[in-house]
Amino acid sequence: AAGVIQSPRHLIKEKRETATLKCYPIPRHDTVYWYQQGPGQDPQFLISFYEKMQSDKGSIPDRFSAQQFSDYHSELNMSSLELGDSALYFCASSLAGGGRGYTFGSGTRLTVV
Amino acid sequence: AQSVTQLDSQVPVFEEAPVELRCNYSSSVSVYLFWYVQYPNQGLQLLLKYLSGSTLVESINGFEAEFNKSQTSFHLRKPSVHISDTAEYFCAVSDPGGTSYGKLTFGQGTILTVHP
Repeated sequence: AAGVIQSPRHLIKEKRETATLKCYPIPRHDTVYWYQQGPGQDPQFLISFYEKMQSDKGSIPDRFSAQQFSDYHSELNMSSLELGDSALYFCASSLAGGGRGYTFGSGTRLTVV
Repeated sequence: AQSVTQLDSQVPVFEEAPVELRCNYSSSVSVYLFWYVQYPNQGLQLLLKYLSGSTLVESINGFEAEFNKSQTSFHLRKPSVHISDTAEYFCAVSDPGGTSYGKLTFGQGTILTVHP
């Protein structure tokens, strides 16, 4: 069965650079969530989209932005990268607003040097 | 607001021993409850979930969890663990009736290490 696809799997950037993470949800899923998991930390909710509209916002820095496109894939744009942005970024998708548990992607490991 | 507390950051056990990973939550509304497992350098996999109905839920690999509303707990148990169960386990909650559209709040995680 198709899963949530995230790209790239690994990304190395220098401080002050920009990064774009992509997420392709399970077909027909209309809701996408982004989480950030720092080293040894639990996942922290960043932002979510339902039917291409932002549905909820968590602890996402102003330097980050995200959107969901017409084909329901989502991109997380991160600018002015800081060392503290190094983390595993997960995307998850669900049907009809989620809440009943959803499927996570394998994550993008971002390292800022 | 919701919060989740996993009482043990690390749980070492021997193979074939029983294990319990504890999870307590705080919420002013009814919640959905989940356990996710994360193997090293991998994503989060749903282990089991409680949405409604029977308070005892089971996974396909022998784990079970019981929702206890009075104690606001959702402890994860397995009667006999295997080496392959070594992983980090996260308890999570979501608010089914709120405007958060399914946002999950995670506990701090419990690292289960199974020794031979």
